[in-house]
Amino acid sequence: DVKVTQSSRYLVKRTGEKVFLECVQDMDHENMFWYRQDPGLGLRLIYFSYDVKMKEKGDIPEGYSVSREKKERFSLILESASTNQTSMYLCASNKGSGNEQFFGPGTRLTVL
Amino acid sequence: AQSVTQLDSHVSVSEGTPVLLRCNYSSSYSPSLFWYVQHPNKGLQLLLKYTSAATLVKGINGFEAEFKKSETSFHLTKPSAHMSDAAEYFCVIDTGGFKTIFGAGTRLFVKA
Repeated sequence: DVKVTQSSRYLVKRTGEKVFLECVQDMDHENMFWYRQDPGLGLRLIYFSYDVKMKEKGDIPEGYSVSREKKERFSLILESASTNQTSMYLCASNKGSGNEQFFGPGTRLTVL
Repeated sequence: AQSVTQLDSHVSVSEGTPVLLRCNYSSSYSPSLFWYVQHPNKGLQLLLKYTSAATLVKGINGFEAEFKKSETSFHLTKPSAHMSDAAEYFCVIDTGGFKTIFGAGTRLFVKA
């Protein structure tokens, strides 16, 4: 069974903290994605990666960075967390453009 | 520019009655179109996918969608709603080049 796992389901951090969200997929997919999901806004793409060490900005990259050192792992980094980054964060992967994306269960991040 | 519009933020139906969730899209290219479902506290799951092979696409759990190029629509339907269909549904467009755009979502309520 294909799987995308995220390191935490719930996370509470303080303003200004550095936050790491980890995502691992076991499907040998080239592409990996980070989205945030907010009510009424759907999913918005933060960053994606199409290969190891390769990354591209999505629609809302400000305040975020990413790292992909291994094919199966894609990390999202909040350099200095702010309250407006309180959200649900979803990781996904697929084997190429136009293909189904497989999603992790999400991390609900609260920044106080 | 590419975009996706889900015309209803909420839809409420009675169990056993038909379901219609509406989606319009805008794209300069021939897109791939998807419907995903998200049950409460669960990850997103693919319902169905259109990639130009056939305009009527059948998905899981009795759902289907019809691609209408002249109307730039990709509405999701089901003949008879079940309580377990209560969830949030997302229409998604993929125009290639890793660009995936999600609609804002439609929450489906099913009344007994």
